[in-house]
Amino acid sequence: DAKTTQPNSMESNEEEPVHLPCNHSTISGTDYIHWYRQLPSQGPEYVIHGLTSNVNNRMASLAIAEDRKSSTLILHRATLRDAAVYYCILRDNNAGKSTFGDGTTLTVKP
Amino acid sequence: NAGVMQNPRHLVRRRGQEARLRCSPVKGHSHVYWYRQLPEEGLKFMVYLQKENIIDESGMPKERFSAEFPKEGPSILRIQQVVRGDSAAYFCASSLREGGTDTQYFGPGTRLTVL
Repeated sequence: DAKTTQPNSMESNEEEPVHLPCNHSTISGTDYIHWYRQLPSQGPEYVIHGLTSNVNNRMASLAIAEDRKSSTLILHRATLRDAAVYYCILRDNNAGKSTFGDGTTLTVKP
Repeated sequence: NAGVMQNPRHLVRRRGQEARLRCSPVKGHSHVYWYRQLPEEGLKFMVYLQKENIIDESGMPKERFSAEFPKEGPSILRIQQVVRGDSAAYFCASSLREGGTDTQYFGPGTRLTVL
């Protein structure tokens, strides 16, 4: 699996937007970009995924660079419940496993 | 709609005992994946199974660990003769894998403590 690079930690204020970056310079043409988050003592929770175009859902938005070598997860209004470790993962459609990196620990301040 | 279910949620074993972890996938999902998360670390892939078949076991330790996903019933991750280093959270995920992209949905995990 291609490797992703994320900052170890980020801080945000409550009700402000958060932009979580992910670099994936070795991404292949068939890799989808997936984002998961993991709250303390819980399993990873699916957030969003995309291939080439920007994506929006009820949880977040995903902005994908034109060359696909980077992407940004956008939380439009951070809440205290968004504090979690956010993982950016590349998955080939034909692969089974997901390769998790260290992720970004997001802290949300009231 | 029930998500991925795992039981038990917490399991305590003494060194040398066996641990059996169960995973019931999302209804209709026939693909199951097991991951292990050591304390303060990220998730590591262990094994990928489809009904009655092991598809990818590249992350499974060579000894003491086995997994199955029978035609009927939950997927089982079995650890024989547990050691303290097996203490971790074990997560199961399931997916549909029908066209398009393949999103994995995770269960709440089983936290294994080996005394």
